[in-house]
Order: sequence, then structure tokens, then C-alpha cells
Amino acid sequence: AQSVSQHNHHVILSEAASLELGCNYSYGGTVNLFWYVQYPGQHLQLLLKYFSGDPLVKGIKGFEAEFIKSKFSFNLRKPSVQWSDTAEYFCASFKAAGNKLTFGGGTRVLVKP
Amino acid sequence: DAMVIQNPRYQVTQFGKPVTLSCSQTLNHNVMYWYQQKSSQAPKLLFHYYDKDFNNEADTPDNFQSRRPNTSFCFLDIRSPGLGDAAMYLCATRDPNYNEQFFGPGTRLTVL
Repeated sequence: AQSVSQHNHHVILSEAASLELGCNYSYGGTVNLFWYVQYPGQHLQLLLKYFSGDPLVKGIKGFEAEFIKSKFSFNLRKPSVQWSDTAEYFCASFKAAGNKLTFGGGTRVLVKP
Repeated sequence: DAMVIQNPRYQVTQFGKPVTLSCSQTLNHNVMYWYQQKSSQAPKLLFHYYDKDFNNEADTPDNFQSRRPNTSFCFLDIRSPGLGDAAMYLCATRDPNYNEQFFGPGTRLTVL
């Protein structure tokens, strides 16, 4: 079965610090990968997605992610976080055959001003 | 703007009293999904429709049912809500030619 794991459940950092959130997926075939963000009290928003091509993907709000096929990883990065980046971040993979999106457990990020 | 709309945004029901949550879309997508998201957890897929074909997840309780009368609308029926069913319920759609899902704002269900 397809699975997605996120390494950190909680991350606390200060403004201007760099952020990297780990994500590993289990499926070895063609897979589409996503990072979603959920701000407190709000709905899921798409940060970025990888389907094919350049493994370094740039998303909204200064986020980027790198797809490393050999490591089954799709880590999210931001060079300098802001207080407004406080949110929960979900990595997800989509396998067309199953028609389903599989989410990781989420990482709650707290940015201290 | 094309979008996914969920009504109501907040729903309060009593233990055991049936409740229906609504999702509509203007994207004309063939696939519609219902997820349950409990506090501090990832969304959990309950079921999805591919056109009129209903696909239930193996671990979705029988208490949860769904209807899709047409392409635009999809309903989640909880026949006898328990306290453990209090959660955010998310609707999402997908064009089968693309693999990105579009999420609605969710309905937060409280069970008293």
C-alpha cells in the first residue's frame, strides 16, 4: 500500500530561520507529489506540486521542494521563514491507479516572532 | 471563479440525529471526494465518486453514506452521528486528466 511519512511532527523556529520539512513516500512507480499548507482555522491550500521534469519545484510564498527519486523523498524548504508561516504542512502523493491522494501525518510549524 | 463550495461551514447536531453536509463545484470535475479530518491529524479519505461510480474506503463506517445526484453536487450523510464523528469534513474535486485535487473550505461538525 502507498504511504507517506513526514519526519517531524512539530517544528519550532524563529523568524528568518531556514525551514526544511522531510517527506518520504513509499510507491516506486510514477507518482505525483504535493505539499499542502493549512493555516490555523483555515482550509487546505496547495503550496506546490511535482508531476515530472525539473526535480526542484518552486511554489507560492517562497517555498520550494526537491524531488529525489533515489531517496523517495520530496522535502519542503524555505530559506527564511516569517511569523505568518505558522501552520500545519502536509505532504501527499497521488497514484493514478488508485485514484487517491495519500497524506502524510503533517508537521506543525510554529514560527516565533 | 471556479471553485468548490461547502455548506454549511459549521454544523452542530445532536448525538444520533442524522445530518447532511453539502458540497458543490463549478469546476465540472468528474471526480469528487469526501475526507474526514480530526484535530491535528491528516485528512482521511472516506469515499469518492468517479462520475456516478461510488468507491467506498474499506475502513469507512457504514454510518457514513454519500449521494451524488449530478456532476455539480455531492452530499455526505451521517445517519447516526456519534461524539467521535466530530471533525472537519472536506470535499475535493479532480479532473481525471490531471492529478491535482481542489479542496473546499470544509464543514466543521460538532456533535452534542
